[in-house]
Amino acid sequence: GAGVSQSPSNKVTEKGKDVELRCDPISGHTALYWYRQRLGQGLEFLIYFQGNSAPDKSGLPSDRFSAERTGESVSTLTIQRTQQEDSAVYLCASSIQETQYFGPGTRLLVL
Amino acid sequence: GDSVTQMEGPVTLSEEAFLTINCTYTATGYPSLFWYVQYPGEGLQLLLKATKADDKGSNKGFEATYRKETTSFHLEKGSVQVSDSAVYFCALLRGSGNTGKLIFGQGTTLQVKP
Repeated sequence: GAGVSQSPSNKVTEKGKDVELRCDPISGHTALYWYRQRLGQGLEFLIYFQGNSAPDKSGLPSDRFSAERTGESVSTLTIQRTQQEDSAVYLCASSIQETQYFGPGTRLLVL
Repeated sequence: GDSVTQMEGPVTLSEEAFLTINCTYTATGYPSLFWYVQYPGEGLQLLLKATKADDKGSNKGFEATYRKETTSFHLEKGSVQVSDSAVYFCALLRGSGNTGKLIFGQGTTLQVKP
């Protein structure tokens, strides 16, 4: 079946602009996660949604970052007023139990 | 807070050599543990997992045993191939029930030479 998909695959933006990243989880997966992978570093947790519960936003690095999820489907991660340190690969994952399935990521470059 | 520490890479081995990538963790309780792998140009995928102490996860010739006494989950393979060249991430699951955030180590790059 279809895996987790993300769009765009690459995004180049100018410092100060807003960007939106999209994630389509595997159908039926109740949990959805966003992580960030900066060059040469491990993955950092950003936020996760589980069903109708309040999202766990404990990993968001600043109030410029926000995310929404529509029901148990699509999620959008928004970064406002982008900074150069926001350059990274943003990974989305979904799960129904413990194993998280990752999408291919969106590579964001802030000039 | 919870954390995962992996041995630093890169690790360079010849084909058919024995592989160990060390992983230790700090956490309250006994979280599920995972190894994920990222092959060049590909996305992150689950390699193996263990959900409780003394469990052994295995896949594609790789093994890791959940050791609560040493808070470790070392990855091993008896004979590596060139196709095993990738970045390997150790992670623990922190949450309630079956879902939660993964806390990753920094990753270990493995390069296998023919």
